[in-house]
Amino acid sequence: QQQVKQSPQSLIVQKGGISIINCAYENTAFDYFPWYQQFPGKGPALLIAIRPDVSEKKEGRFTISFNKSAKQFSLHIMDSQPGDSATYFCAASPGGSQGNLIFGKGTKLSVKP
Amino acid sequence: KAGVTQTPRYLIKTRGQQVTLSCSPISGHRSVSWYQQTPGQGLQFLFEYFSETQRNKGNFPGRFSGRQFSNSRSEMNVSTLELGDSALYLCASSLGQGRDTEAFFGQGTRLTVV
Repeated sequence: QQQVKQSPQSLIVQKGGISIINCAYENTAFDYFPWYQQFPGKGPALLIAIRPDVSEKKEGRFTISFNKSAKQFSLHIMDSQPGDSATYFCAASPGGSQGNLIFGKGTKLSVKP
Repeated sequence: KAGVTQTPRYLIKTRGQQVTLSCSPISGHRSVSWYQQTPGQGLQFLFEYFSETQRNKGNFPGRFSGRQFSNSRSEMNVSTLELGDSALYLCASSLGQGRDTEAFFGQGTRLTVV
């Protein structure tokens, strides 16, 4: 069963625009929600992560918004650049362990110049 | 600081064979997790080892097994290979304890079963 649902599957954004990727989860035991970025031929790299005790976290151009009651979280990439073109994965893990990540299916982002 | 090292990078095996993949975590990291990545199923958690003990296990058949050594290096074994086992196998290491400890991924081992 898919415990983390991610949308959209693919996204095309113009340079300078805002990229928004959404995820939803069902398991209320999840308490750690990271976003990973993966380029072809590379392993995923952590972008930003959030815990349920905050509703928003910002690091540079990347922001996570978290809605605990709706069990949804999203990634916003401001001022998107062609170098941001990659596949993005949301994930969740229960019980404070980062070693048991449940991933969404991924979103392939293309930023057009 | 050296990253997570996975060997080999590429493997081609025949159906029915077995394979062993290796992962060297970042120095000081005690947790090693394994994931399978395929175009259809995405990234799926296989298992996690912490201080030589399996701490978590995903929903994979018993043909998939792993172990961790006292130096935190880990190996994953797949027996009786099937065509559907063709995938990128990723290893991630972390401190394994405490809040907000990042999981760092290696570049993966690309396994092709023919």
